[in-house]
Amino acid sequence: DGGITQSPKYLFRKEGQNVTLSCEQNLNHDAMYWYRQDPGQGLRLIYYSQIVNDFQKGDIAEGYSVSREKKESFPLTVTSAQKNPTAFYLCASSSTGDETQYFGPGTRLLVL
Amino acid sequence: GQNIDQPTEMTATEGAIVQINCTYQTSGFNGLFWYQQHAGEAPTFLSYNVLDGLEEKGRFSSFLSRSKGYSYLLLKELQMKDSASYLCAVLPRGRRALTFGSGTRLQVQP
Repeated sequence: DGGITQSPKYLFRKEGQNVTLSCEQNLNHDAMYWYRQDPGQGLRLIYYSQIVNDFQKGDIAEGYSVSREKKESFPLTVTSAQKNPTAFYLCASSSTGDETQYFGPGTRLLVL
Repeated sequence: GQNIDQPTEMTATEGAIVQINCTYQTSGFNGLFWYQQHAGEAPTFLSYNVLDGLEEKGRFSSFLSRSKGYSYLLLKELQMKDSASYLCAVLPRGRRALTFGSGTRLQVQP
């Protein structure tokens, strides 16, 4: 089956800890995205990548980092510099010529 | 930049029709998306409008007026499973990532 997977479904972070959220797609999409969603809010863009080894900051990139070493994978690291990380994190992908973004199931990050 | 406005909440009755409006202000625009999001789940794609007019897809239709910066999502023959949040999103010119509104939470009542 083609699709986007995210893991884990729930993630707990301790103070001062970096955590990495996984996003993998087998749709052969060239572009991938990370969004954050807070309760009752819309999605806000953290980072996006249009091709391998290239990515751009979104609207709320501070405290986050990404890498794009493979077309299929776009992991997001939430660093200790992100002071309010509790949120629902959504990964999406799209292909050139079709700007529709398809979302993974999301990871819910909680701070202990 | 982009500024997207949608009503926060709406209530409608099963079997009825509901229209969810979205207005936007943007310096450049390449299209408008509507997504459905059930509580605790990821958004799923509903529609994409690039040109002015109405796009119909089963019980769901979406309308766009670029000159007015206005779109609406029309849901017909409402079903209980349509209770969800509906997100309006703009594709800005020069950037592939979407800019989302805060969403409209629709509650369908029997």
